[in-house]
Amino acid sequence: KAGVTQTPRYLIKTRGQQVTLSCSPISGHRSVSWYQQTPGQGLQFLFEYFSETQRNKGNFPGRFSGRQFSNSRSEMNVSTLELGDSALYLCASSPGTLLTDTQYFGPGTRLTVL
Amino acid sequence: AQSVTQLGSHVSVSEGALVLLRCNYSSSVPPYLFWYVQYPNQGLQLLLKYTSAATLVKGINDFEAEFKKSETSFHLTKPSAHMSDAAEYFCAVTSGGTSYGKLTFGQGTILTVHP
Repeated sequence: KAGVTQTPRYLIKTRGQQVTLSCSPISGHRSVSWYQQTPGQGLQFLFEYFSETQRNKGNFPGRFSGRQFSNSRSEMNVSTLELGDSALYLCASSPGTLLTDTQYFGPGTRLTVL
Repeated sequence: AQSVTQLGSHVSVSEGALVLLRCNYSSSVPPYLFWYVQYPNQGLQLLLKYTSAATLVKGINDFEAEFKKSETSFHLTKPSAHMSDAAEYFCAVTSGGTSYGKLTFGQGTILTVHP
């Protein structure tokens, strides 16, 4: 099976712009989770989608949003970018039916905000 | 609420020595615990997970971890370190019926292996 893919891998934006990141899960997985990784805050949960519905949300401002399509692919959007949004954004997919399901991570999208 | 504390942001061992990475959790309900490894410029890869089936969990590449409820710990060990084990390791927890898809991670431990 193909793994989780994320596009693009690298992105450079300027403050005030918006950005959209994409994640394609492992075939058959219905859950996609998003995480932000920074040196200062570590790995933080953004949100999770299951069957096109947001099921869980972390403590991030409303500038961070996401969606999931009927084929389970997911996108996350960050509007009005700030310097502090520079981070590695990871998505992970899983079947989504059990708490013990393994989350399989993609390689991440590294976002730099100038 | 759930949280994870990894003691030691950096651990250094010699090749062939025992690896011990510490993880303590806090959870108001029975937890499920995970150890992930991250190599530079890559995503996270699962090493092993505790699902309440057995307290001693064996994972890939000879890693194992023991769930100790009385100590609220889930330390990761490997009998003999290899150079290829140099990476960052993350302990994570999920618990409760509303936590689907949500992992809470520790701050990570960077493992250095010396020849």
